[in-house]
Amino acid sequence: AQSVSQHNHHVILSEAASLELGCNYSYGGTVNLFWYVQYPGQHLQLLLKYFSGDPLVKGIKGFEAEFIKSKFSFNLRKPSVQWSDTAEYFCAGRSSRAAGNKLTFGGGTRVLVKP
Amino acid sequence: KAGVTQTPRYLIKTRGQQVTLSCSPISGHRSVSWYQQTPGQGLQFLFEYFSETQRNKGNFPGRFSGRQFSNSRSEMNVSTLELGDSALYLCASSWTSGGSTDTQYFGPGTRLTVL
Repeated sequence: AQSVSQHNHHVILSEAASLELGCNYSYGGTVNLFWYVQYPGQHLQLLLKYFSGDPLVKGIKGFEAEFIKSKFSFNLRKPSVQWSDTAEYFCAGRSSRAAGNKLTFGGGTRVLVKP
Repeated sequence: KAGVTQTPRYLIKTRGQQVTLSCSPISGHRSVSWYQQTPGQGLQFLFEYFSETQRNKGNFPGRFSGRQFSNSRSEMNVSTLELGDSALYLCASSWTSGGSTDTQYFGPGTRLTVL
C-alpha cells in the first residue's frame, strides 16, 4: 500500500535556527512528491514539488527539499527559519503510474518558531 | 486568478441530517479532489472528479458522495451525518487528472461540526 510518513510530530526551534523535516514514502514505481504548508488559520499552500530531474528542489520562502531515491526520502530544509514559518507542514505523494490525482499525506509536523 | 473557493466556510448540523458542500476550482482546472482533515486521522482522500466523472475514490462509506458539473464546479454530499464526520473538508483543483506535472491547489475548506 502507498504510504507517506513524517517522523516528527512537533518541532520547536528559535529564529535563525536551521530546520529539517523528515519524510519517507512507500510507493511502487515512480512517485511525485510534494510539501504543503498550513499557516494558522490559512489553507494548505504548496511549498515545492518533485516530479523528475534534479533531486534538489527549491520552493518558495527559502525552502528546499532533496529527493533521495535510495532512502525513499524527501526531506524539507530551510537554513534559517523566521517566526513566520510557524505552521504545520505536510509531505504528500502520488504514484505517477496510477490514474488520477489521489494524494497520500503524511501525518504532518507542527513547527513552532520562537522569536 | 482567483483561487479555489469553497462554500459554506462553516456548518453546524445534527446527527442524522445530510449536508452538501460546494467547491469552485481555479479557472481552467478540470479536476477536483476532496479530502477530509481531522486531528486523529490527518488528511484523507475522499474522491476525485474529472470531466464530470469520478476518477478515484478513497476508503469512505457510501454516505459520502460527490458530483461534478460541466463547469467543473463540484459538490460533495454526506448523508446520515455521524459525530465522527466532524472535520475540515478540503477541495483541491488541478488542470488535469494525474498528468505528469499535475499539482493540486487547495481551497480554505469547509468546517463541518456535527452535534
